[in-house]
Amino acid sequence: GEDVEQSLFLSVREGDSSVINCTYTDSSSTYLYWYKQEPGAGLQLLTYIFSNMDMKQDQRLTVLLNKKDKHLSLRIADTQTGDSAIYFCAEDAGTYKYIFGTGTRLKVLA
Amino acid sequence: EAGVTQFPSHSVIEKGQTVTLRCDPISGHDNLYWYRRVMGKEIKFLLHFVKESKQDESGMPNNRFLAERTGGTYSTLKVQPAELEDSGVYFCASSQEPEINEQFFGPGTRLTVL
Repeated sequence: GEDVEQSLFLSVREGDSSVINCTYTDSSSTYLYWYKQEPGAGLQLLTYIFSNMDMKQDQRLTVLLNKKDKHLSLRIADTQTGDSAIYFCAEDAGTYKYIFGTGTRLKVLA
Repeated sequence: EAGVTQFPSHSVIEKGQTVTLRCDPISGHDNLYWYRRVMGKEIKFLLHFVKESKQDESGMPNNRFLAERTGGTYSTLKVQPAELEDSGVYFCASSQEPEINEQFFGPGTRLTVL
């Protein structure tokens, strides 16, 4: 079945790196996505990775994909207080609909 | 360019009442999606329109939910009659058909059924 799992909470100190993990079950996904939701706002696409890639770097963001283990991670370097938000991973499961995880609430401590 | 907009931002209704949520996608986006997040859980797909046609409504919980997209522009999602378990945040998203199918999300409508 389709299932995407994330840990619910992560707390880091400002300036440290944050690593948010996600596991998924559908190996037919073409793309995997990371979305960010700030309080009162919609979901903002942060980055995505094509399923035949292992890594993608975009400024402070690094996405790692382990297809064998169906594991996706998002690393945020030099985490800032403005990074505090809920982060959702999502897969497209080979169709147009997204399968989302539960979201990880990142809290950045000053 | 305006993003995806949703109305209302919040709605509080009593069990048994009817509520209609509206979504205006980004102009020119043929694909429109509805998702729902129940408190603390994952965001779940409800349905997908291509223009005015329902492409996939496999996520609709039951027949108390009715989605329409007349004319292929904005969409409405009606819940009638609302039940307590319908409380949550309803997100709308739209996309063109680019290779990566990036979906642009609205801010959501928070529905509370008392």
